[in-house]
Amino acid sequence: QKEVEQDPGPLSVPEGAIVSLNCTYSNSAFQYFMWYRQYSRKGPELLMYTYSSGNKEDGRFTAQVDKSSKYISLFIRDSQPSDSATYLCAMKGVTGGGNKLTFGTGTQLKVEL
Amino acid sequence: DAGITQSPRHKVTETGTPVTLRCHQTENHRYMYWYRQDPGHGLRLIHYSYGVKDTDKGEVSDGYSVSRSKTEDFLLTLESATSSQTSVYFCAISDAGVGTDTQYFGPGTRLTVL
Repeated sequence: QKEVEQDPGPLSVPEGAIVSLNCTYSNSAFQYFMWYRQYSRKGPELLMYTYSSGNKEDGRFTAQVDKSSKYISLFIRDSQPSDSATYLCAMKGVTGGGNKLTFGTGTQLKVEL
Repeated sequence: DAGITQSPRHKVTETGTPVTLRCHQTENHRYMYWYRQDPGHGLRLIHYSYGVKDTDKGEVSDGYSVSRSKTEDFLLTLESATSSQTSVYFCAISDAGVGTDTQYFGPGTRLTVL
């Protein structure tokens, strides 16, 4: 079983919809949680960063962490065709380890006109 | 791409030949990483470096070696390429290595081993 599980999709939604992307994890040592967005044939770019439990909002994007359930979410409001990409969750623990991240496999999102 | 370049961007090679991929950064970050990305596996860490001449293995290091002789350059070598090493390779950099610091990725190198 992988440490981080993520539904690969693809997820197809109409423009303007609210999108919910999720990851579950098994390692209780994870304290930092990230979402990366990756456009086709590009490198991943950092989208959201959350420490421990709680919510963080940035424009149309909200990241949510529930450590008790080992579950993280990314919500996209008023989705746009430009949001079409693969979304990767990533996480890490507190202590050293060279800042190594553990990634989910990514969810492919398509926002249709 | 946070001051990170990778070269070459595309490469086709034959089984058994050596291949070297280069990652160059202009951010003066301490940590550098090499990943491969494959369908169904996501991003997997091959090797990483925590300083000049300081490197360590990741989860899929077999068949790969790395070198870092300067802060700005991190080389990934496939000593004898195999078809299973056909993949997209990403370099990433990180500054402090702890706490809220995270990784920033380069544009990737698409490698095909025939």
